[in-house]
Amino acid sequence: AQSVTQLDSQVPVFEEAPVELRCNYSSSVSVYLFWYVQYPNQGLQLLLKYLSGSTLVKGINGFEAEFNKSQTSFHLRKPSVHISDTAEYFCAVSRRDSSYKLIFGSGTRLLVRP
Amino acid sequence: NAGVTQTPKFQVLKTGQSMTLQCAQDMNHEYMSWYRQDPGMGLRLIHYSVGAGITDQGEVPNGYNVSRSTTEDFPLRLLSAAPSQTSVYFCASISRVNTEAFFGQGTRLTVV
Repeated sequence: AQSVTQLDSQVPVFEEAPVELRCNYSSSVSVYLFWYVQYPNQGLQLLLKYLSGSTLVKGINGFEAEFNKSQTSFHLRKPSVHISDTAEYFCAVSRRDSSYKLIFGSGTRLLVRP
Repeated sequence: NAGVTQTPKFQVLKTGQSMTLQCAQDMNHEYMSWYRQDPGMGLRLIHYSVGAGITDQGEVPNGYNVSRSTTEDFPLRLLSAAPSQTSVYFCASISRVNTEAFFGQGTRLTVV
């Protein structure tokens, strides 16, 4: 079975500072990796995904993530955050042969302060 | 293009009542799923479907039923509501081509 760990439940950061949201996964088979964002009172939307190829993945709103197979990590980064990035961020994994079964981490609330 | 539409947005039920949460997608995706979101627990998979007529259980299926008679619709039924089912429910439609999941706006359910 697959599992996802997001160790940080909340990350406070000042506007224009860099941020890294950590994600580690566990799986005995090859997986796809995702980051989703949830703004208050809304559904989730895809930020970026890793399917194969280059381990550095760029997504929307200036976010990027790096897949590290040896450390089973998929950390999300942004070099300079804005107030509008305040939201909850979820890391997710699915098996390559069953992409309809997304397994989510517990989420990290990013709080950007002026 | 509406994407994924969930109804209702809010619902209060009494313990023991039943209800159906509706979910419809207009993207012709084969895959659809239901999740519940609870504080500190992320989203947990309740049931999923890989096509019309095909459904299966996820991580937390107890107390819920689903059916998929058409590609577009994937309703979730609560058979006898319990306070432990108080949660926010999300329906997702997943593209088989690029693996992206599209989520509805959610249904906030309170069982008293």
